[in-house]
Amino acid sequence: NAGVTQTPKFQVLKTGQSMTLQCAQDMNHNSMYWYRQDPGMGLRLIYYSASEGTTDKGEVPNGYNVSRLNKREFSLRLESAAPSQTSVYFCASRDQGAPYMGEQFFGPGTRLTVL
Amino acid sequence: KNQVEQSPQSLIILEGKNCTLQCNYTVSPFSNLRWYKQDTGRGPVSLTIMTFSENTKSNGRYTATLDADTKQSSLHITASQLSDSASYICVVGTASKLTFGTGTRLQVTL
Repeated sequence: NAGVTQTPKFQVLKTGQSMTLQCAQDMNHNSMYWYRQDPGMGLRLIYYSASEGTTDKGEVPNGYNVSRLNKREFSLRLESAAPSQTSVYFCASRDQGAPYMGEQFFGPGTRLTVL
Repeated sequence: KNQVEQSPQSLIILEGKNCTLQCNYTVSPFSNLRWYKQDTGRGPVSLTIMTFSENTKSNGRYTATLDADTKQSSLHITASQLSDSASYICVVGTASKLTFGTGTRLQVTL
């Protein structure tokens, strides 16, 4: 039982390049989330998916797109990376129930640098 | 603006000592309060989750308290160990959002 896995662990991009961050969970959870963590700031929600086939914007969605491919996988895409998107990105999941209640399980993070 | 403020920003203690971390919040309407532990280079791991009706919750050597009237919470760590070195994040939830604090960085030394 691996929990929440994320790939890649590290990535360096040049401004304007695109990439997709992958997230998968093996806990049969319904809800999945993408957060970013910046120095001196708390984690901020980018997008979430309450169930397969649905996605909703969080606090900081601009510059990102998401896909809930199936119940297990939730990907985050940067179409045209900008230096302001340099951050650590965390994927999380939780089981049934309201998206902001109950325990969220986090992945190990992807450290992204945009030059 | 809904905020979660944590203090101190950082703390160094000797192994075996106790410590208390503070969290003050203005988030409303309150639904739940969580404490997470985040080791360097890793994702946060949940320690406790408390709802409005709970004023204390323990997880091993970690004890969280909640005073919903004063909008304050604390995390007490008993008999600290080197493995307790990490950032501790307070998170306050409403029905529609989680607001994360910036964390307290704890270092436990010999």
